[in-house]
Amino acid sequence: GEDVEQSLFLSVREGDSSVINCTYTDSSSTYLYWYKQEPGAGLQLLTYIFSNMDMKQDQRLTVLLNKKDKHLSLRIADTQTGDSAIYFCAEKHGSGTYKYIFGTGTRLKVLA
Amino acid sequence: GAGVSQTPSNKVTEKGKYVELRCDPISGHTALYWYRQSLGQGPEFLIYFQGTGAADDSGLPNDRFFAVRPEGSVSTLKIQRTERGDSAVYLCASSVSSGNNEQFFGPGTRLTVL
Repeated sequence: GEDVEQSLFLSVREGDSSVINCTYTDSSSTYLYWYKQEPGAGLQLLTYIFSNMDMKQDQRLTVLLNKKDKHLSLRIADTQTGDSAIYFCAEKHGSGTYKYIFGTGTRLKVLA
Repeated sequence: GAGVSQTPSNKVTEKGKYVELRCDPISGHTALYWYRQSLGQGPEFLIYFQGTGAADDSGLPNDRFFAVRPEGSVSTLKIQRTERGDSAVYLCASSVSSGNNEQFFGPGTRLTVL
């Protein structure tokens, strides 16, 4: 089946690290993504990871992938108030289609 | 234009009416995706095009929904006999090709069915 799940809320203090988690069910996923959605703005791609990798670092962002457990996480180092937004993980299918399945989103609130 | 544009930004209609939502992708992008986002949910895949053809329409909820992309650029999502449950934000995204990893999203059309 196609299911991508995330916890709904996360609250952290400015300067701390944030870790947003995601689980998915499709073992044929080729790529997994993290998107950011701010109020009144469109979805913005933050980073992505190929399914045969287990880690990717991009400045303050670290993506960890545990393919065996179908678990993806996004760590934001030194979280800032501007990081407050909704974060979506998404998977791209690898078997005969390039459709994307998005999670329900995690609302990150950064406290000053 | 520089980004993906969608028109109208807001559409209010009455139950049973027909609506068309338009998406202008980034010039040169061959892949175009439609999603529906209900309040508090993530984008729900509807359909994607590679060029003029619908490569995967498995997300369209029923036969009241239809989308076209006749010249491989602009796409129109058409909803017949609208229902209150169709109320949502309809998002469009484009990418260089369907194999490319970066989708660029438009601002969405907020559809309200009264």
